[in-house]
Amino acid sequence: AQKITQTQPGMFVQEKEAVTLDCTYDTSDQSYGLFWYKQPSSGEMIFLIYQGSYDEQNATEGRYSLNFQKARKSANLVISASQLGDSAMYFCAMSHTIYTSGTYKYIFGTGTRLKVLA
Amino acid sequence: GAVVSQHPSWVICKSGTSVKIECRSLDFQATTMFWYRQFPKQSLMLMATSNEGSKATYEQGVEKDKFLINHASLTLSTLTVTSAHPEDSSFYICSARRRESSYNSPLHFGNGTRLTVT
Repeated sequence: AQKITQTQPGMFVQEKEAVTLDCTYDTSDQSYGLFWYKQPSSGEMIFLIYQGSYDEQNATEGRYSLNFQKARKSANLVISASQLGDSAMYFCAMSHTIYTSGTYKYIFGTGTRLKVLA
Repeated sequence: GAVVSQHPSWVICKSGTSVKIECRSLDFQATTMFWYRQFPKQSLMLMATSNEGSKATYEQGVEKDKFLINHASLTLSTLTVTSAHPEDSSFYICSARRRESSYNSPLHFGNGTRLTVT
């Protein structure tokens, strides 16, 4: 069964430092995508970065990078030079193919609440 | 691009009434839209998958007669909470996939609707 695990309910980081948010996954799919979303207290889900299962290079998007280790089934998010505005809930997600219908589902982890300290 | 608009942002209704929530993809065609429910400090729970022109697929445990989903066009899906009760109070958020997307395409989310049933 497909599953996303985020083992850190909460994290603190000092402003301007880097922080790593952990995400491990389990899937029997060969083709899948891994995604990170940020949810501020206002509630909207902001897409940050993604990694395809066949991508050999780690994805980067500004201060965000995804440390993809396929053999270990992990897709950790690294935020460099943390800012106060980075304080939010972060969700790791994975796409799953429904082969009978050719459609996709997205499975979300339980999230990590990040607090950036001044 | 990839803007999803969700309306209303918040709604308060009396027990026993029905509430309709709209989800629109503003600048792309979305063959599939997903409806999620989120309880405070918890992850997103997939309620149903809405495909344009066909019946929605509901997740196990979600009452299809209570949560009516209609995907009338490639840019609009609606969720109607019928005969709402206080336990239906929650944050509801929709997301959409582009028509031409694949397994490594991210979901684009609306801003969510906070429903309070009194």
